[in-house]
Amino acid sequence: EPEVTQTPSHQVTQMGQEVILRCVPISNHLYFYWYRQILGQKVEFLVSFYNNEISEKSEIFDDQFSVERPDGSNFTLKIRSTKLEDSAMYFCASRARGTEAFFGQGTRLTVV
Amino acid sequence: AQSVTQPDIHITVSEGASLELRCNYSYGATPYLFWYVQSPGQGLQLLLKYFSGDTLVQGIKGFEAEFKRSQSSFNLRKPSVHWSDAAEYFCAVGGAGGYQKVTFGTGTKLQVIP
Repeated sequence: EPEVTQTPSHQVTQMGQEVILRCVPISNHLYFYWYRQILGQKVEFLVSFYNNEISEKSEIFDDQFSVERPDGSNFTLKIRSTKLEDSAMYFCASRARGTEAFFGQGTRLTVV
Repeated sequence: AQSVTQPDIHITVSEGASLELRCNYSYGATPYLFWYVQSPGQGLQLLLKYFSGDTLVQGIKGFEAEFKRSQSSFNLRKPSVHWSDAAEYFCAVGGAGGYQKVTFGTGTKLQVIP
């Protein structure tokens, strides 16, 4: 069964450092998303991406965040200068037209 | 704006007892509705979904949910809970069109006691 793959599963970084979270969506999917879940809280939408551009972004997704689909298979989330409050589980998701979103297993980001 | 309310933060049931988790949504058009389950430190597993048609939908692990448009609800049920069902359950709503995001509720943590 096809699945969304995220790497790494856990990343620890120092405050102020840049991190890139990587995702390989399901191959025939068109829409791509990043969500985050701060420990003990609900899953929050960050950004959606379609046709090589951002379709929608939340107020969380400020200038320190960016997304890219560099090579037609990977979908990345970059955080330029991490803050302690960026510590969370980050989920990538993808979907085809008219279907549900399929979520990856997440990357746990810890900022120290 | 779309939103989901899960009024129960924490529910405790005895193993073998029935379960109902409540979910109310707000969405301006016909919604797509979902229930996800998450074990501690794990990802999101889709239990079931409603897109259209029969308002009673069956999912994995013996779960079902009923879409009631008049009440804007999509409650999750299971007739007999197993200890392995202990987890956090998230209701979510999304749209049918294009890049529509999914909006999650705050979750209900289920504890199962012997």
